[in-house]
Amino acid sequence: RKEVEQDPGPFNVPEGATVAFNCTYSNSASQSFFWYRQDCRKEPKLLMSVYSSGNEDGRFTAQLNRASQYISLLIRDSKLSDSATYLCVVNNNNDMRFGAGTRLTVKP
Amino acid sequence: NAGVTQTPKFQVLKTGQSMTLQCAQDMNHEYMSWYRQDPGMGLRLIHYSVGAGITDQGEVPNGYNVSRSTTEDFPLRLLSAAPSQTSVYFCASSYSSYETQYFGPGTRLLVL
Repeated sequence: RKEVEQDPGPFNVPEGATVAFNCTYSNSASQSFFWYRQDCRKEPKLLMSVYSSGNEDGRFTAQLNRASQYISLLIRDSKLSDSATYLCVVNNNNDMRFGAGTRLTVKP
Repeated sequence: NAGVTQTPKFQVLKTGQSMTLQCAQDMNHEYMSWYRQDPGMGLRLIHYSVGAGITDQGEVPNGYNVSRSTTEDFPLRLLSAAPSQTSVYFCASSYSSYETQYFGPGTRLLVL
């Protein structure tokens, strides 16, 4: 079983839709959590960190459930520019583990 | 401010050859790391360093060596290239593993 698992998608949604991604992790000692975004053939870039209390940045909301060991990302009012692969990242004492990514395509 | 730079961008090797992938950052970051990305596998951590003189193994360290003699540089050495090492390699840096990692543009490596 992979340490970090994501639904690979693809998710194909119309502009303006709300879409949610989940990510589960197996190591209960994991300490910090992130969502990164990766465009085709580019390097990953931080979308947002994920805090226990949940956090929001504009149209993006991230949640962490330590008891169930999952992380979620909600994107509201999807834009064409949101089309990318979203990577869930879990840090356990400097050992960073990435999920395989969830591909999102937003269509006009 | 160049951020994280990687060289070369592309490389073709023959099985058994050795080479060094270069990574440098100018942000005075302590934490640096190397990943490989293969289709359907996501990024996998090869080696990381929490500061000059300190390195440790990640998830997939076999066949790779690293050293960290300065804060800025973190080269990755392939000792004897194998076709299984064909991949895209990313270097990243951050103040610590708990903070934003900044990635280089990647090196595409093909081993024949």
